[in-house]
Amino acid sequence: GNSVTQMEGPVTLSEEAFLTINCTYTATGYPSLFWYVQYPGEGLQLLLKATKADDKGSNKGFEATYRKETTSFHLEKGSVQVSDSAVYFCALMGQGAQKLVFGQGTRLTINP
Amino acid sequence: GAGVSQSPSNKVTEKGKDVELRCDPISGHTALYWYRQSLGQGLEFLIYFQGNSAPDKSGLPSDRFSAERTGGSVSTLTIQRTQQEDSAVYLCASSLGILLSQETQYFGPGTRLLVL
Repeated sequence: GNSVTQMEGPVTLSEEAFLTINCTYTATGYPSLFWYVQYPGEGLQLLLKATKADDKGSNKGFEATYRKETTSFHLEKGSVQVSDSAVYFCALMGQGAQKLVFGQGTRLTINP
Repeated sequence: GAGVSQSPSNKVTEKGKDVELRCDPISGHTALYWYRQSLGQGLEFLIYFQGNSAPDKSGLPSDRFSAERTGGSVSTLTIQRTQQEDSAVYLCASSLGILLSQETQYFGPGTRLLVL
């Protein structure tokens, strides 16, 4: 079945550091890939997505590129802020499927 | 416009009791999903409704769990004879229902269920 594996957390960085959160997936066909974020006390919200190979999703300074050859969708940001502290979830939706399959989540803490 | 709303926000119940959780999707969204977020299992899919089609119940963990969607809008998730392992945050999401496997799902704030 489809699955998502993402970088173990928690991750702690200083403000303005470079961020990478690794995400790899297993799926047949051509899934759509998503990063969702959950800020403290808030609900899950979409951060970015990519629906086909080589697409780059971007939002709020975050980027992720859909790499089919390495089955990866790593999340990156060049300079993190304290306000980026949250739990980040990588997810996929299988081709023709209607349910999201989530990774285990990575808690990110940014210190000033 | 209004987002997905869920009620109650918190529910404490005793083992063996039945509970009902409600979800109001975004107006105009025909697809509705229930997920569960728990410490041990992470985020897992429960059930999916799309228009008038039969729901995909493949994620329901036991026959104590059921859900319905009335009039293509509001949905209720019912857990009968609750167990302590049912304690979790129950999340509802909705999407337009046009390009399902590529669509953004919009999540509600969740219902935090605690079974004592």
